[in-house]
Amino acid sequence: QVQLVQSGAEVKKPGSSVKVSCKASGGTFSSYAISWVRQAPGQGLEWMGRIIPILGIANYAQKFQGRVTITADKSTSTAYMELSSLRSEDTAVYYCARVGNDYVLDYWGQGTLVTVSS
Amino acid sequence: DIVMTQSPDSLAVSLGERATINCKSSQSVLYSSNNKNYLAWYQQKPGQPPKLLIYWASTRESGVPDRFSGSGSGTDFTLTISSLQAEDVAVYYCQQYYSTPSFGPGTKVDIK
Repeated sequence: QVQLVQSGAEVKKPGSSVKVSCKASGGTFSSYAISWVRQAPGQGLEWMGRIIPILGIANYAQKFQGRVTITADKSTSTAYMELSSLRSEDTAVYYCARVGNDYVLDYWGQGTLVTVSS
Repeated sequence: DIVMTQSPDSLAVSLGERATINCKSSQSVLYSSNNKNYLAWYQQKPGQPPKLLIYWASTRESGVPDRFSGSGSGTDFTLTISSLQAEDVAVYYCQQYYSTPSFGPGTKVDIK
């Protein structure tokens, strides 16, 4: 059974960066893309970007270009999402999710709450 | 970018009754070469991550009850819950994966 386990909640100051991890188990990590999706409090889902670990290639939503970096470590089956220049509007739960064979998000992490506050 | 809209924003349905959620994309998500609609539906309960229900517009994910069904093509899609159960109270999102993925704003389903 595929499992994605994310790192714990973070509290950050405006202008700083945050790096969230997503460790996969129970599947072939490198063969599937990992996407990152965020959800602000009481709001909907927003796709941020994805990485294909076997290729090391990431692509990002235009909104986050230049501010987000998604990486993957095949040796530990872990994906990372780093968001910089944080502002209060970045306060959200950040999810990682596996992109399955049919290009949809079939397994999700439990979410990581990132709070940006001075 | 493809913009997704959903209607209604929320609905309340009696137990055992039908719930219908609509989703519209700003451009077609039907890929002509394989005749597949790149449209998925997710269910999200409070405090939980989303759960995949439907993909290719009408294919149920393994383990999803058959009271959930998806239909539509091109730009207009529908998620139907044929007989609402208490455990179906959630927010439902459509998502296109034809191009850079995007989600609809969600539809909240409650019990009347």
